[in-house]
Amino acid sequence: GDSVTQMEGPVTLSEEACLTINCTYTATGYPSLFWYVQYPGEGLQLLLKATKADDKGSNKGFEATYRKETTSFHLEKGSVQVSDSAVYFCAGNQFYFGTGTSLTVIP
Amino acid sequence: DVKVTQSSRYLVKRTGEKVFLECVQDMDHENMFWYRQDPGLGLRLIYFSYDVKMKEKGDIPEGYSVSREKKERFSLILESASTNQTSMYLCASSSGQDNEKLFFGSGTQLSVL
Repeated sequence: GDSVTQMEGPVTLSEEACLTINCTYTATGYPSLFWYVQYPGEGLQLLLKATKADDKGSNKGFEATYRKETTSFHLEKGSVQVSDSAVYFCAGNQFYFGTGTSLTVIP
Repeated sequence: DVKVTQSSRYLVKRTGEKVFLECVQDMDHENMFWYRQDPGLGLRLIYFSYDVKMKEKGDIPEGYSVSREKKERFSLILESASTNQTSMYLCASSSGQDNEKLFFGSGTQLSVL
């Protein structure tokens, strides 16, 4: 069945470091792809999305590009902040989610 | 502000009890979903609904049922709770198509003893 595979965590970075969280998908068609974020003590919320190949989603300095040739949707940020500490989930359509990657940013 | 509200934040039940988890959304969304979130497993879809009185099985429906009598309310039912159903349960809603984002509730942490 359809699925996403997400980079294992946890990830610990120093403030202002670069972040990449890998996500690849397996699907019979071309799903819409999402990154959701769960801050400590809060519910999941949408971070960004892309609905077709070569689309780039962006929000709060995070970016991800839908790459059909590599079936990937990697999350990137050039300079992380302490406030980015959270759990990040890659998702395909509304049905399948990755296992989540915990990010801790230390000052 | 749009909202998905789950009736309980924490719930403790005994093995064999019938458990109801309630979810209400105020956005007039057609689609509603129930997931469970477990460490190392991420979110797994239990059931979803595209309309009132309609339901579809997700990846892990065994041991669960759902009810959607009104558009704004989607209930998850554990007919006979078991310890392996101890988990965080998340309700979500969305409008329209598969490419629409999900709005999540805060979750219900269920412990079955």
